[in-house]
Amino acid sequence: QKEVEQDPGPLSVPEGAIVSLNCTYSNSAFQYFMWYRQYSRKGPELLMYTYSSGNKEDGRFTAQVDKSSKYISLFIRDSQPSDSATYLCAMRRNDYKLSFGAGTTVTVRA
Amino acid sequence: GAGVSQSPSNKVTEKGKDVELRCDPISGHTALYWYRQSLGQGLEFLIYFQGNSAPDKSGLPSDRFSAERTGGSVSTLTIQRTQQEDSAVYLCASSLIRTAQETQYFGPGTRLLVL
Repeated sequence: QKEVEQDPGPLSVPEGAIVSLNCTYSNSAFQYFMWYRQYSRKGPELLMYTYSSGNKEDGRFTAQVDKSSKYISLFIRDSQPSDSATYLCAMRRNDYKLSFGAGTTVTVRA
Repeated sequence: GAGVSQSPSNKVTEKGKDVELRCDPISGHTALYWYRQSLGQGLEFLIYFQGNSAPDKSGLPSDRFSAERTGGSVSTLTIQRTQQEDSAVYLCASSLIRTAQETQYFGPGTRLLVL
């Protein structure tokens, strides 16, 4: 079993819809949780970074962490075609080594 | 630009040949990381550098893989006697310092295809 599980999709939504992405993990030592966005043929770029359980909001993006359930989510409100990308969850213990999910490919249809 | 750069962008090689992949981190970043991204897989950690030393090589899949970093800047990942299963995107990232809170900035990757 992988440390981090993420449904690869693909996910296709109409413009303006809410996109809901999630990951589950098995290692309770993970303390830091991130979401990266990766456009085709580009490197991942950091979208959201959270440390504790709860919600964090940044513009149209909301990240949720539930450590008791070992479950993290990313919501994208009012989705735009420019949001079409692969979204990777990542997490780490109190060190530098990131553990990634497989990534979910999202397409927002105009 | 000021981001992480990698070269070549794409590399096609024959099975059994050696390849070298290069990473130029963001200026001043002391920590450098190599990852591998295979189709349908998440990023897999390969090796971490702090300055010119590599305290963690635990992710290198076999002794055919090696990496070095010189001058605390450029890093080269070498794959000897390439195999078809080495085909993947090799990503490099750098961060200012090595802490759990520090953001890792990724380069665009090198797409390696072993025929």
